[in-house]
Amino acid sequence: GENVEQHPSTLSVQEGDSAVIKCTYSDSASNYFPWYKQELGKGPQLIIDIRSNVGEKKDQRIAVTLNKTAKHFSLHITETQPEDSAVYFCAAPSNQGGKLIFGQGTELSVKP
Amino acid sequence: DAGVIQSPRHEVTEMGQEVTLRCKPISGHDYLFWYRQTMMRGLELLIYFNNNVPIDDSGMPEDRFSAKMPNASFSTLKIQPSEPRDSAVYFCASSSGTGYTEAFFGQGTRLTVV
Repeated sequence: GENVEQHPSTLSVQEGDSAVIKCTYSDSASNYFPWYKQELGKGPQLIIDIRSNVGEKKDQRIAVTLNKTAKHFSLHITETQPEDSAVYFCAAPSNQGGKLIFGQGTELSVKP
Repeated sequence: DAGVIQSPRHEVTEMGQEVTLRCKPISGHDYLFWYRQTMMRGLELLIYFNNNVPIDDSGMPEDRFSAKMPNASFSTLKIQPSEPRDSAVYFCASSSGTGYTEAFFGQGTRLTVV
């Protein structure tokens, strides 16, 4: 939607624990919700996305859930590893032309 | 494909100077996006092109910023004159669609204006 809020801004977990990052959006017409991972010194890279016709999508240790009624979606990372440490961004299309609006980002730190 | 290629990777310039950032999108992608990333404002879309035509430049902060895409394989983002508050990482991304398809980002250009 036009406004995307992401929480928390920082998250620290122990290796092996799960991590959850949440986003809310304002445009009820939004129907595509990607998650990007940005490693230090690199550009963001798509890790998983979900479209509004499904409520959950899973890819190995990562999953995304979508609640269209509440207008929020979440990223779940299980069995976290140090290489999961990065900044994660959620996004949703704008209602003007389909450009992506990004959340503020979550810096995830996985401690060995 | 080598992915989206940006140059330079780092740029340090004095206030008032002209800065030109360059981007080569992935071949075959007909959408190109310019983003700016700062700690305070996160990832902001500055402008995007479709088939070399600027579609939405509402994110361009001031007239000091301009972007061009003379052909399908090259785009520039120019700042003239540059100011210290322009210091940020600038990303170029390309995709085969709008916000509903994957965007592939370049490595970014870290701009420092002193």
